[in-house]
Amino acid sequence: QLQLQESGPGLVKPSETLSLTCTVSGGSISSSPYFWAWIRQPPGKGLEWIGSFYYSGSTYNKPSLKSRITISVDTSKNQFSLKLSSVTAADTAVYYCARQADYNALDFWGQGKMVTVSS
Amino acid sequence: DIQMTQSPSSVSASVGDRVTITCRASQDITKWLAWFQQKPGKAPNLLIYAASSLQSGVPSRFSGSGSGTDFTLTISSLQPEDFATYYCQQANTFPITFGQGTRLEMK
Repeated sequence: QLQLQESGPGLVKPSETLSLTCTVSGGSISSSPYFWAWIRQPPGKGLEWIGSFYYSGSTYNKPSLKSRITISVDTSKNQFSLKLSSVTAADTAVYYCARQADYNALDFWGQGKMVTVSS
Repeated sequence: DIQMTQSPSSVSASVGDRVTITCRASQDITKWLAWFQQKPGKAPNLLIYAASSLQSGVPSRFSGSGSGTDFTLTISSLQPEDFATYYCQQANTFPITFGQGTRLEMK
């Protein structure tokens, strides 16, 4: 059974960079034809897609966040990472990693990592 | 970006009721639509993909229909564990976008 687990700091100061890692187990991040994604959910609000990538290099990011996002992959560790720079309180959210499968549906999700932006 | 609009925003129902939630896309997404259930403090759970395909392990009381711009999620007979928030998601075109959610509450 595929499992995803987010990890990283739960508190980030304003203007600094949020860094999270998603570790995938029970399957390979290099498996075709899957994309892998980051999604976030501010407290009490809805879901917001951040970005997706394919292990071979294709990356798609939310346009309004594009200048601040870096998504990278380490196939040797079966991990992928999110960096979001210049954070503000508006970036406070639960951050999820997920797999995109048939019809780009997000079929496996991590449990989520709450990240608070505060000084 | 493709806008996804769900209705209603919230609905009250009783165990055994039939419930329908709708999702409208701002442009044609053919059948590239998924439905999720989310319970408090938990990650979303995929129910339906490709507009009408039931995800493995999801009870058959859940069904999806539609194509183009108009879609529905139907729960044929509500069970106690179905009270949750439901989201639609389009993935026809990047950026992926979600509906604002429908909260299903117990009457």
